[in-house]
Amino acid sequence: GENVEQHPSTLSVQEGDSAVIKCTYSDSASNYFPWYKQELGKRPQLIIDIRSNVGEKKDQRIAVTLNKTAKHFSLHITETQPEDSAVYFCAATPTGANNLFFGTGTRLTVIP
Amino acid sequence: DAGITQSPRHKVTETGTPVTLRCHQTENHRYMYWYRQDPGHGLRLIHYSYGVKDTDKGEVSDGYSVSRSKTEDFLLTLESATSSQTSVYFCAISSTGGENTEAFFGQGTRLTVV
Repeated sequence: GENVEQHPSTLSVQEGDSAVIKCTYSDSASNYFPWYKQELGKRPQLIIDIRSNVGEKKDQRIAVTLNKTAKHFSLHITETQPEDSAVYFCAATPTGANNLFFGTGTRLTVIP
Repeated sequence: DAGITQSPRHKVTETGTPVTLRCHQTENHRYMYWYRQDPGHGLRLIHYSYGVKDTDKGEVSDGYSVSRSKTEDFLLTLESATSSQTSVYFCAISSTGGENTEAFFGQGTRLTVV
């Protein structure tokens, strides 16, 4: 099955700085790459996703980039705020698969 | 939030006892999933269902079984609980499977096996 690796496992940034989380995947047939945010004690929730026919997608302060040749994708958060502090998970789904394969998560801490 | 409810929310059980966790949805979604979340491992798929009585194994299915007798309910059973099954369990639902669709998660069940 698909193998998704995520780095770093922890990340601390000063409020207002940018944060970048990177993921790689193994299955070249993967074509859907969502990102989930999990606040402390809460459920994971989708924040942004990208499909393989798109190289970049942006939604306000968050953006995701995809490099299919290199099989990696990244989450970019600009102008970070304390409420961005959470665990972020990347995921990938190969064509025809019925489930998501998740990375191991990145704990982001935004220091006020 | 999507209509998805897990019960119980917390449970402490003894080694060797059977445990059943319940996931209930009101969205009429076809796909339902059970994940476990452990530090350093992220979210790992245990089992999933793609319809009533249709289930398949995930990457960490040993020691677990599932059943789906109705569209809205997906049960996860630990046949004989072990300490290694201490974890937070999340149920998720999806309308069309993993590809191109959002998965909605339940609130999670914290299970402790002593």
